[in-house]
Amino acid sequence: EDKVVQSPLSLVVHEGDTVTLNCSYEVTNFRSLLWYKQEKKAPTFLFMLTSSGIEKKSGRLSSILDKKELFSILNITATQTGDSAVYLCAVRPGGGSEKLVFGKGTKLTVNP
Amino acid sequence: GAVVSQHPSRVICKSGTSVKIECRSLDFQATTMFWYRQFPKQSLMLMATSNEGSKATYEQGVEKDKFLINHASLTLSTLTVTSAHPEDSSFYICSARKRGVNNEQFFGPGTRLTVL
Repeated sequence: EDKVVQSPLSLVVHEGDTVTLNCSYEVTNFRSLLWYKQEKKAPTFLFMLTSSGIEKKSGRLSSILDKKELFSILNITATQTGDSAVYLCAVRPGGGSEKLVFGKGTKLTVNP
Repeated sequence: GAVVSQHPSRVICKSGTSVKIECRSLDFQATTMFWYRQFPKQSLMLMATSNEGSKATYEQGVEKDKFLINHASLTLSTLTVTSAHPEDSSFYICSARKRGVNNEQFFGPGTRLTVL
């Protein structure tokens, strides 16, 4: 059974801190790993990773994938209160389907 | 852009009634739409994959006769929860796949269903 595990489940930090969110997975025929930010409603896309060792960056956010260890991290530097959200990790298995398998998410709270 | 809308955003109904939720891709055509369910503090769980003009593919454990999915056009998919019960109360989110290099999925804002 395909599985995605995120840790920690929740995290509380102060503005300016740097955080690292973890995502490990077990899927058949891995195709890609995606990170989403979910505030109140719809998840919004952050990154898609397909190759090991290539860091993707967007402003203060960055992510990298290790396909050997079946693991990805999402880093947020100089956190702001607006970064408070649930961060979801999802994996797209192979086999021709476009389905996504999601982890439970990491709830990040950034306090002023 | 790639905007996906859902209607209604929130619905409260009595046990035994049926509820229809609409998912629309507003500015792109979506040959594939996905329906997810999210219980409190749980992950998004895929319920079914909906392809335009064909029958939906349901995930294991999801009753196709209870959760009716219709994908009648390239911009609209509907999910009908038939004979809803309190245990069906959940957050239902759709996503639409936009054709492109990454075949990215764009999510709707979700529908909060409460069955009394």
